[in-house]
Amino acid sequence: DQQVKQNSPSLSVQEGRISILNCDYTNSMFDYFLWYKKYPAEGPTFLISISSIKDKNEDGRFTVFLNKSAKHLSLHIVPSQPGDSAVYFCAAVILTGGGNKLTFGTGTQLKVEL
Amino acid sequence: DTEVTQTPKHLVMGMTNKKSLKCEQHMGHRAMYWYKQKAKKPPELMFVYSYEKLSINESVPSRFSPECPNSSLLNLHLHALQPEDSALYLCASSQVRDIDNEQFFGPGTRLTVL
Repeated sequence: DQQVKQNSPSLSVQEGRISILNCDYTNSMFDYFLWYKKYPAEGPTFLISISSIKDKNEDGRFTVFLNKSAKHLSLHIVPSQPGDSAVYFCAAVILTGGGNKLTFGTGTQLKVEL
Repeated sequence: DTEVTQTPKHLVMGMTNKKSLKCEQHMGHRAMYWYKQKAKKPPELMFVYSYEKLSINESVPSRFSPECPNSSLLNLHLHALQPEDSALYLCASSQVRDIDNEQFFGPGTRLTVL
């Protein structure tokens, strides 16, 4: 049962344009959401997070939008750069009071072309 | 120091071997995690430690035995593994609180079971 899904396994965007990565979830109990970026043979790197009580969070070129009624979030990268090419995972968190339980989405391979 | 280190980077073991994976962080985080990632799949949570106590075990087979000897170290002891256990094993750490508790990941140990 995949509670967090990224329906686009891959996305190709031109340098300088906007990249939009989408994520859907099914569990309304998630407390907040994160986006991670992953290069091959490396661990995931945290990018940005959003609490379930907010609808937008921005950090530099990265903006995350949350639509709670639709159980949907998206990551916008503007402008896209070739160094952004990586696999992007959205992740959903349930706070347990003893560490947090993180469920990853299926991932989207972003390729930013020159 | 915002780094999570893992050793070894690569490990090849037979099904009768006993080996251990090690993880270390010096960020003062009191939650530590083990994840397993198969090729082209998202990381899957295995164990969560909070204040050096096991708080979550995601029904992981007993051939994987975690240990948290102190607040900076996390081990994963391996015994009698199967070839299907071959994967990238990721360690992560985080604060134990409701905000600013994103998980920081190490680079992983690539495990091959022959």
